[in-house]
Amino acid sequence: DIQMTQSPSFLSASVGDRVTITCRASQGIRVDLGWYQQKPGKAPTRLIYATSNLQSGVPSRFSGSGSGTEFTLTISSLQPEDFATYYCLQHYSYPITLGQGTRLEIK
Amino acid sequence: EVLLVESGGGLVQPGGSLRLSCAASAFIFSDYYMDWVRQAPGKGLEWVGRIRNKPNSYTTEYAASVKGRFTISRDDSSNSLFLQMNSLKTEDTAVYYCVRDLTGRTDYWGQGTLVTVSS
Repeated sequence: DIQMTQSPSFLSASVGDRVTITCRASQGIRVDLGWYQQKPGKAPTRLIYATSNLQSGVPSRFSGSGSGTEFTLTISSLQPEDFATYYCLQHYSYPITLGQGTRLEIK
Repeated sequence: EVLLVESGGGLVQPGGSLRLSCAASAFIFSDYYMDWVRQAPGKGLEWVGRIRNKPNSYTTEYAASVKGRFTISRDDSSNSLFLQMNSLKTEDTAVYYCVRDLTGRTDYWGQGTLVTVSS
């Protein structure tokens, strides 16, 4: 199985900050990676597909990059509604696996 | 608007069985792969399994943690997805989400149904 290691697990930041979340895959996954945002009590919503493609309706302050084994999600200027938990997901091979999550909180 | 509505969750004893359903609407259900994803209380997301569409012979994939105990099926005539869960363990306690093609260009999630395995 491909292990997805996400860092940091917890991140405290302020409105307007630029933040980066990293996901490392235990083996190469090409660009078969997505990023999800989840708010308490809600289903996750996908922000990015295929590493760097913004899902329709997602603000342009979100961006994704990477390939192979290292991937990043960047939020260029944090907004109050961005405080949530973020997950990466690989679908290069079965089983589909996810990172353990990054909880982003207001400083 | 695409809608996925899960049902069938509840309290079940360890070793018991439960069948979850997911009713789909506003898209051509038979065209899509369908997935189940779960989330234990206060924990991260875990993919449970997938069923492909008819052109791909309705084949299935499962996470190791549920393989041999859970079975995913579908009924394209009624736009329904199912998750049969047998030999349930306390660690299967989670919110279970039905997802339209988790790896497609656009995915859709249901609101989830809570399964609690406890004596």
